[in-house]
Amino acid sequence: SAVISQKPSRDICQRGTSLTIQCQVDSQVTMMFWYRQQPGQSLTLIATANQGSEATYESGFVIDKFPISRPNLTFSTLTVSNMSPEDSSIYLCSVGGRTGGYEQYFGPGTRLTVT
Amino acid sequence: EDQVTQSPEALRLQEGESSSLNCSYTVSGLRGLFWYRQDPGKGPEFLFTLYSAGEEKEKERLKATLTKKESFLHITAPKPEDSATYLCAVRRNSNSGYALNFGKGTSLLVTP
Repeated sequence: SAVISQKPSRDICQRGTSLTIQCQVDSQVTMMFWYRQQPGQSLTLIATANQGSEATYESGFVIDKFPISRPNLTFSTLTVSNMSPEDSSIYLCSVGGRTGGYEQYFGPGTRLTVT
Repeated sequence: EDQVTQSPEALRLQEGESSSLNCSYTVSGLRGLFWYRQDPGKGPEFLFTLYSAGEEKEKERLKATLTKKESFLHITAPKPEDSATYLCAVRRNSNSGYALNFGKGTSLLVTP
């Protein structure tokens, strides 16, 4: 499986500010994804981070709120913009396509608290 | 819409007490069902993929099975280190081909 790291591991932010989360993979991967895990809720896909093109967002998520970059095959960032307390959540990146199957491997997550 | 429901929400077992976790799904053509383990403060850890009814996968004390409407994660003689949240997900139709819909998970506590 891939070694996936995320920075920061946790942060406390003020309402109205933005936070950029980094995801680094130890080898090149085709597919990278960003998820949100809110307390008591299912892990929810935010978007697919496409290398060299705009991210593909899921229903309910928009680029202005969650801009994503993917400059190469080992790195991606997710920005949570103009934050409100409702954005308090764990944000996880994942990778897929490494083994020929469709399973995904997840990073350790970033715990975000918005006050 | 593809949906995944897991039960029970929480399960407490004595060490050595075998049991099963359930994952029921409604999809228009199953493209893969996945089981993950998640420890507190960590990302989900991949356990198994199942693609067709009748398929079974095993790893140590865990065995995953699949029918046309549900999957079971059987835990045989669990140990305290098996305590975790177990997540089930189905692969749904998407542009990338990889998008997953997750259930809310079953929180398992195994006591000595």
